[in-house]
Amino acid sequence: GAGVSQSPSNKVTEKGKDVELRCDPISGHTALYWYRQSLGQGLEFLIYFQGNSAPDKSGLPSDRFSAERTGGSVSTLTIQRTQQEDSAVYLCASSLDLAGAYSYEQYFGPGTRLTVT
Amino acid sequence: EDKVVQSPLSLVVHEGDTVTLNCSYEVTNFRSLLWYKQEKKAPTFLFMLTSSGIEKKSGRLSSILDKKELFSILNITATQTGDSAVYLCAASPYGQNFVFGPGTRLSVLP
Repeated sequence: GAGVSQSPSNKVTEKGKDVELRCDPISGHTALYWYRQSLGQGLEFLIYFQGNSAPDKSGLPSDRFSAERTGGSVSTLTIQRTQQEDSAVYLCASSLDLAGAYSYEQYFGPGTRLTVT
Repeated sequence: EDKVVQSPLSLVVHEGDTVTLNCSYEVTNFRSLLWYKQEKKAPTFLFMLTSSGIEKKSGRLSSILDKKELFSILNITATQTGDSAVYLCAASPYGQNFVFGPGTRLSVLP
């Protein structure tokens, strides 16, 4: 596609419900990243994928958070039993390569604003 | 632990002023440093720097990297109200994730 897309753009959910956030990276980008940004805060790294594998899951805040990527393309971030502190903008980004010798810039999607009531 | 520090965290200037934003980093196996501008939701890419001392320019914005002193600066000349945003600096280690700084919130007053 022309850019990174994310859906939904906004999600309001009740505390305790599960949510799924979707990210569609730029075609051909092998690296995909998930970040979280609370109001007025910096970017908090959650997880990244190189292809379909996620070598670093250390950023996931708790075991309620999980992510997968299939076919080296679309990724979903799932939050189970949502809590109010999960409210934030969830940003996805992709880049051409991660493990290679050259560094490529990340292109960000528009984000999903999650509100847990 | 890898980290990126930015200063100042917040800056208010008037249109026409020149600003310098600072970014210092401590990253193992460093390979590049990137600058982004974030206005509303998604950050947009500005520059990627991999070599020391080579200035990159885009219009009124320019940036340079010092790999010996482990810092980078982003200059904006003749600022405009449209430059108001949060400017993020990120360091990219080899084979790992990008490490972002907290950002500098720039406000340009008319």
